[in-house]
Amino acid sequence: NAGVTQTPKFRVLKTGQSMTLLCAQDMNHEYMYWYRQDPGMGLRLIHYSVGEGTTAKGEVPDGYNVSRLKKQNFLLGLESAAPSQTSVYFCASKMALAGYEQYFGPGTRLTVT
Amino acid sequence: AQRVTQPEKLLSVFKGAPVELKCNYSYSGSPELFWYVQYSRQRLQLLLRHISRESIKGFTADLNKGETSFHLKKPFAQEEDSAMYYCALSGLSGGYNKLIFGAGTRLAVHP
Repeated sequence: NAGVTQTPKFRVLKTGQSMTLLCAQDMNHEYMYWYRQDPGMGLRLIHYSVGEGTTAKGEVPDGYNVSRLKKQNFLLGLESAAPSQTSVYFCASKMALAGYEQYFGPGTRLTVT
Repeated sequence: AQRVTQPEKLLSVFKGAPVELKCNYSYSGSPELFWYVQYSRQRLQLLLRHISRESIKGFTADLNKGETSFHLKKPFAQEEDSAMYYCALSGLSGGYNKLIFGAGTRLAVHP
């Protein structure tokens, strides 16, 4: 099992450009999450999904959109990147209900210039 | 408001010294508390969970509801313990369990 994978690993964008980050999991988990990690602020939840076709806002959703068309994939989109979105992005997944542990991907380092 | 506070950004100790990483939380209910760890060039992973009351890699953490704390302790630090440690709280919000992370504490164990 690959667990949780993220594509790409690194990306540099210019202000105003758009991009999509892909998260994939092969553990048949119901719940998936997108976080951003910033120095001194820990991990903050951007959006999450509790099942295929459903998404919900987390703590810091502005400037991001998500989609969960397939159970194994959770996409995070930046429509018009801003320097404030420079961060490391982590995806995680979890079993529904009985599951308590979130399994994390390796992260995507995004720089917006 | 739900909040997790880790007051130390960096904790620097020598090998063999005791370690205590502090975590305080704010939650109006019965939270579930976790410690996650991120070693250099590795992904974030669960270290321990308060309900299981296990000792993982020599680390223990006791939930103190009176002081709303969940400090992580190890009697004798090892160099391989150097990592970023995050305390996290799982609570119901909008009907679903979500993790709320503290800002993290970097533990540096020197030889």
